[in-house]
This record gives sequence, structure tokens and C-alpha cells, in this order.
Amino acid sequence: DAGVIQSPRHEVTEMGQEVTLRCKPISGHDYLFWYRQTMMRGLELLIYFNNNVPIDDSGMPEDRFSAKMPNASFSTLKIQPSEPRDSAVYFCASSLSGVSDTQYFGPGTRLTVL
Amino acid sequence: SQQGEEDPQALSIQEGENATMNCSYKTSINNLQWYRQNSGRGLVHLILIRSNEREKHSGRLRVTLDTSKKSSSLLITASRAADTASYFCATEGGSNYKLTFGKGTLLTVNP
Repeated sequence: DAGVIQSPRHEVTEMGQEVTLRCKPISGHDYLFWYRQTMMRGLELLIYFNNNVPIDDSGMPEDRFSAKMPNASFSTLKIQPSEPRDSAVYFCASSLSGVSDTQYFGPGTRLTVL
Repeated sequence: SQQGEEDPQALSIQEGENATMNCSYKTSINNLQWYRQNSGRGLVHLILIRSNEREKHSGRLRVTLDTSKKSSSLLITASRAADTASYFCATEGGSNYKLTFGKGTLLTVNP
């Protein structure tokens, strides 16, 4: 298996632009997680899905952030409009059967908002 | 918050030495996990210990859990330069059904 795939690996954009991050989870995994990692706040859970349904989005910072999972093999995290404080590494992870299960992380997308 | 806190924040040792990292948390948990992150990469799961377990081993890794002290430790024996990475503990339990990560310990193993 190729593992969790994220794209792009790096994104540089200007303030106000829309940013879309993409994730393909490991086939057969029922759970998908989006995290954000910064030096100041560490690794924060933004949202997670179970069988394509959003379960907990309490970590989504603002209405500027939205996430979708249209099918079992694809998810997007969108920021519109982006701000410099959104600069971070965004990780997607998937697990077979639950939050407590081993989570497999993708390589991350490093986002820089100028 | 049940977020774990790792201690120390940074640790530098020589190859062959043992490395011990600690994690403390605030509320009751169902399980605690340790992850490793190499620079510029995603996190990799190392080991999971449940609240009713006190010790687990996996290769050169040994994890202990003391629920009365709300703390866990990760011991890496006979360290190698390739063990250089950040190590995170993550807890799950209480009312929040999600994994909460600490800020991590940066381990540097010098050849």
C-alpha cells in the first residue's frame, strides 16, 4: 500500500487566496483525520470523518476552514480566504477502525501564506 | 485538557546510550500512544498502551504507564543515530473521543 497520500507537499500563496489541500487515505480505513502542526500550538486535530461523515469538527478554527469527504478515497481541506496565521504543516491521517486505533499519517502539506 | 506534556523538551545523547522520555497528562485515559516524527515527515506510530496495562515492549522500545501518577515513559535502549527524531505521546479518553498530542521531545543521538 502506498500509505496516506497528500498533495501538494508545499503550497505558497498570498493572503486572501483560496487554498485546497487534498488527501487520499489508506484503502479500507474507515477514519480520516486532518491535523495542523505549528511550533506554538503543536499538533491539533481539526476534524475527523467516519465512513465519509464528519464526526467532530470542533477543532476547525474558523468558518474560513471547511473539509469534505465525498467518497472513501478522497478528502479536501479548504481555507478561504487564507491568512498568514494559517501558515503551518497540515497532516492527513487515517485509521482502520477508530480514534484509538493506530493512525497512519501522510507526509503533510507545508502551507505558507504571505 | 487531557493533552500530554513530554519531558524533557529536548534530549541529546551518544549512540549506544539509553534515552528516556516522559509524558504527563491531566485526566483519565483509555489508552496512551507514542509516535515518532522525523524532520519534515509525518508521524509514525510506535506503540499503544492501554489504561489497564503497566508496561509494553516492542523491540528496543519499552513503555510504562502509571495511571495513579498520570504519567508514561518511553525508553529507547541502545540508541542509534537513526533514532534522532521528535517523539510525541498522545492520549485518548474522558469525554473527548479523539487523540490529543503533546508538544513532543526532540531526541538527538550523536554518532
